[in-house]
Amino acid sequence: ELKVEQNPLFLSMQEGKNYTIYCNYSTTSDRLYWYRQDPGKSLESLFVLLSNGAVKQEGRLMASLDTKARLSTLHITAAVHDLSATYFCAVVNFGNEKLTFGTGTRLTIIP
Amino acid sequence: EAGVAQSPRYKIIEKRQSVAFWCNPISGHATLYWYQQILGQGPKLLIQFQNNGVVDDSQLPKDRFSAERLKGVDSTLKIQPAKLEDSAVYLCASSFDRGTFYGYTFGSGTRLTVV
Repeated sequence: ELKVEQNPLFLSMQEGKNYTIYCNYSTTSDRLYWYRQDPGKSLESLFVLLSNGAVKQEGRLMASLDTKARLSTLHITAAVHDLSATYFCAVVNFGNEKLTFGTGTRLTIIP
Repeated sequence: EAGVAQSPRYKIIEKRQSVAFWCNPISGHATLYWYQQILGQGPKLLIQFQNNGVVDDSQLPKDRFSAERLKGVDSTLKIQPAKLEDSAVYLCASSFDRGTFYGYTFGSGTRLTVV
């Protein structure tokens, strides 16, 4: 069974700082997704990573995928308050197309 | 492009009652998912459809939950009878290409409270 783990679970950081969220998964996959969720809201798609070595950037967020290490990272550069949210990674099981979510990282940016 | 539509937005029921949720995916999206998200946790897959066929329902509590997708478009998820632990947000998602390029689009969810 595919397991997806994120760390840290909670992250409090000051504006202007850099940090990285890690997503590890347990079985072979070639597709990984990052989502953002604001309190009481649904999931907003951030990045779709489809191959080993894929790197995508949008504003202050950059995501990468290493399929050999079964690891994805979401890097935050010069954090601003608007980035406060919960971030989820989700991985597709190579065999049955099942999309499994990680535990989530609750990010709080302190002014 | 219209998004994934879900209704109702909120529902409060007493335990042992029944409830149904409705999802209308994006037009042309063959794959449809129902997820359960308990407060503070990540979404957990309940059932996956490809057109009107079930691909995976291994985590659906079949003694009380049922789902159908008639004609490969709209879908309904039913709980009967509800338990307190069913309190959660129920999210519907759809995909055009099984997520291979465009990913998955989520609806706004139905927040269920069982009292």
